[in-house]
Amino acid sequence: GAVVSQHPSWVICKSGTSVKIECRSLDFQATTMFWYRQFPKQSLMLMATSNEGSKATYEQGVEKDKFLINHASLTLSTLTVTSAHPEDSSFYICSGGPYGYTFGSGTRLTVV
Amino acid sequence: DAKTTQPPSMDCAEGRAANLPCNHSTISGNEYVYWYRQIHSQGPQYIIHGLKNNETNEMASLIITEDRKSSTLILPHATLRDTAVYYCIVRADNTNAGKSTFGDGTTLTVKP
Repeated sequence: GAVVSQHPSWVICKSGTSVKIECRSLDFQATTMFWYRQFPKQSLMLMATSNEGSKATYEQGVEKDKFLINHASLTLSTLTVTSAHPEDSSFYICSGGPYGYTFGSGTRLTVV
Repeated sequence: DAKTTQPPSMDCAEGRAANLPCNHSTISGNEYVYWYRQIHSQGPQYIIHGLKNNETNEMASLIITEDRKSSTLILPHATLRDTAVYYCIVRADNTNAGKSTFGDGTTLTVKP
């Protein structure tokens, strides 16, 4: 089945710095991948749709200049949280694969 | 995507069947019912999906009512490792179908 690998699994960064999260498709070509964010005790919220070779599509209320998405190849999509602040601390998850139903293991971001 | 309604929590005794209900009364004719689960601090795991017929795989069974307005996920012999948040999602099954709208889900607690 489709496998999505997400790294890192956790990261701690200082306020004001940027953090890059990678999402790789290991056994399929991903023209589209999805990025979600999940705050403690809450459900997953779709942030953006990552499109290979073109601009990402962001959900309403998600700052595209803060959450930079790059999807330059069919196997890699990245999410960069720029100028991170403590309120950006969250669990970030990507998904892809046939019909998008394979999820990565998630990245726990803590901004201090 | 159609909205779904699930009970916030359920308990189940280990070894017994766990029946998780989901209401999706506004489902459209081309929309599928998907079930995922999320174990604490991990990415969601795909369980099963269906359109109108009942489905079964190695993990679970999915029973969809004839009018398709509700469904039940059945874990036939629940184990402690099945303790998780279970999400019922309705969406059209096409190449952009990975864009999922997650509700609050049902927290299933399997007790010894």
